[in-house]
Amino acid sequence: GQQVMQIPQYQHVQEGEDFTTYCNSSTTLSNIQWYKQRPGGHPVFLIQLVKSGEVKKQKRLTFQFGEAKKNSSLHITATQTTDVGTYFCAGRDTGRRALTFGSGTRLQVQP
Amino acid sequence: SAVISQKPSRDICQRGTSLTIQCQVDSQVTMMFWYRQQPGQSLTLIATANQGSEATYESGFVIDKFPISRPNLTFSTLTVSNMSPEDSSIYLCSVDGQGAETQYFGPGTRLLVL
Repeated sequence: GQQVMQIPQYQHVQEGEDFTTYCNSSTTLSNIQWYKQRPGGHPVFLIQLVKSGEVKKQKRLTFQFGEAKKNSSLHITATQTTDVGTYFCAGRDTGRRALTFGSGTRLQVQP
Repeated sequence: SAVISQKPSRDICQRGTSLTIQCQVDSQVTMMFWYRQQPGQSLTLIATANQGSEATYESGFVIDKFPISRPNLTFSTLTVSNMSPEDSSIYLCSVDGQGAETQYFGPGTRLLVL
C-alpha cells in the first residue's frame, strides 16, 4: 500500500533559523496536504497542493509539490516559538478519499 | 468549515472492557473517517464510514475489534472492543471539507488502557 515518509523525524532550531521538512510518497499522489499538530492538540489543516511543481506561500511558510507529484516540502523562514509542533504531510491516491499521513516532523524552537 | 465534537475527550479503561467514542459534526457529510494516533506517532486510518453502508476497514483493522456505526449524516461511533494496553491511543474522527480539499479533525479521544 501507499507509504508516505517524512524527514527529519525531529528538528531543534534556534528562534530565527529556517526549517524544512521533506515528504516522499511511494506512489504518485492526486494531491498533498499539510497539517500542523500542536502538543496536546489535533491536526489542523494548513494547505493543499494539487498541481505538479506547485508552490504556495503562507506568510513565512512555503510549500512545494514535486514535478512527479511524489514528494513535497514545507519550508519555514525565520522560525518563531509559535511554530512549535509536529508537521504532517498527507497524501491522497487517485480515486481514494482517505488520506495517508506521513510520519511527521516534530519541530522544537529554542527562544 | 466543519465543527466536530467527540465524546469522551479522554478515558482510562481496564483491559478487557469496551469503549464507545462518539463523533458529532455540525453539518451533513457523506464520509467520516476514524484515525488512531499512538503516542508519538503519526495518524493511521482505521476505517471510512459511509451512512447507510458497512464501514470500510484498512489493513490491520477488523470490524470485530473496531465496530463502527453511522446512523445518519452527522454522527458516527467507534467502539474499541476487548481493550488491551496496546489500544492506548488518541482516536480522532474527521470529515472532508468542501470539495475534499481539506479534512477537518475532531479534538480526539485520549484513551489509556490499564
